[in-house]
Amino acid sequence: GENVEQHPSTLSVQEGDSAVIKCTYSDSASNYFPWYKQELGKGPQLIIDIRSNVGEKKDQRIAVTLNKTAKHFSLHITETQPEDSAVYFCAASRADYKLSFGAGTTVTVRA
Amino acid sequence: GAVVSQHPSWVICKSGTSVKIECRSLDFQATTMFWYRQFPKQSLMLMATSNEGSKATYEQGVEKDKFLINHASLTLSTLTVTSAHPEDSSFYICSARDLLGGRAYEQYFGPGTRLTVT
Repeated sequence: GENVEQHPSTLSVQEGDSAVIKCTYSDSASNYFPWYKQELGKGPQLIIDIRSNVGEKKDQRIAVTLNKTAKHFSLHITETQPEDSAVYFCAASRADYKLSFGAGTTVTVRA
Repeated sequence: GAVVSQHPSWVICKSGTSVKIECRSLDFQATTMFWYRQFPKQSLMLMATSNEGSKATYEQGVEKDKFLINHASLTLSTLTVTSAHPEDSSFYICSARDLLGGRAYEQYFGPGTRLTVT
């Protein structure tokens, strides 16, 4: 099955700085790569996603890049704010739509 | 749009009893729903895929006789934890796909159900 690795496990940044989270996947057949934000006691919330036919996607302060050859994808958050503090998960899925999640990154934005 | 609800949001039950968790797609039809389990400070692990009108398919290591899944309509899937034990205490999350909404690859997640077995 698909194996998704995520780094770092924790990330502390100063407000206004950028945060970068990296993930690698094992199955070259994976074609959909979403990123989720999860706050304590809540379900995950999709913040951005990318499909395998695209190399980069941006939505305001959030961007995702995908390198299919190296099988890795990254989340970039610019101008971080305290409300960005949460746990972030990357995931990957193939044509069966089953999601395999990374281990998660706890992001803390220091005011 | 694309809202998924779960009920209850939290439940406490005694060891040996069964508990049912509902997952509903409120504004779209979901032919496929997924059930995940998340232990504290861990990631989401897929338990099973629920298809409307057919039997659920379970991931390796998940006991199908313990975690009963029913997907009787296009908007409702249920997960019943039978003969619950303290080790079943976890955060259970469902998700659903909207095949008609133009983003069939996206999963919409529910808010989760916290199960505590005493």
